[in-house]
Amino acid sequence: ETGVTQTPRHLVMGMTNKKSLKCEQHLGHNAMYWYKQSAKKPLELMFVYSLEERVENNSVPSRFSPECPNSSHLFLHLHTLQPEDSALYLCASSARGASDTQYFGPGTRLTVL
Amino acid sequence: AQSVTQLDSHVSVSEGTPVLLRCNYSSSYSPSLFWYVQHPNKGLQLLLKYTSAATLVKGINGFEAEFKKSETSFHLTKPSAHMSDAAEYFCVVSGSGGGNKLTFGTGTQLKVEL
Repeated sequence: ETGVTQTPRHLVMGMTNKKSLKCEQHLGHNAMYWYKQSAKKPLELMFVYSLEERVENNSVPSRFSPECPNSSHLFLHLHTLQPEDSALYLCASSARGASDTQYFGPGTRLTVL
Repeated sequence: AQSVTQLDSHVSVSEGTPVLLRCNYSSSYSPSLFWYVQHPNKGLQLLLKYTSAATLVKGINGFEAEFKKSETSFHLTKPSAHMSDAAEYFCVVSGSGGGNKLTFGTGTQLKVEL
């Protein structure tokens, strides 16, 4: 297993709920990422944080709100989601170099009813 | 811009026979290339990584990949498949000139039969 953990592993929520996904890395990395993995589609990068500063936001709807309080923790706050947001949400971390390997957590399987 | 194409969405092999998963890439820069594996209901695990050192890269679990610049390919191979190799495999390119943005292929599902 990698040094990246995610909780919860499974989440079912209604369209009006508010929930948060949590990611924690124990690797001493400086960069963290959120990805969305939907069936039959390539992984989509959602957000990138480097040294706790958001450096990329790939046109993600505002119903997804990331938070990076320190270099070890990353959250994804969810509100007013749509059924098409159901997917596996993966967190990753890396050192800051351009060729540094990203290490992935096990993911949170999200189902929006 | 960079892109990666995995030429087969599904590959089926018999246990004990060789595995070949094909990947072609496009990049304006000297790329870093990766292969990741994803077992059902699990996250992505790094198999191997190429970063402009030796063109033949050895990874975990007996997998290796060869970087061929002239063919813009980075195919993944294993001499003898094991049942535990059944999973989805992703070819990934990095290095768009800034940052650490990865571009993922659409994945190849490997099935291993007895």
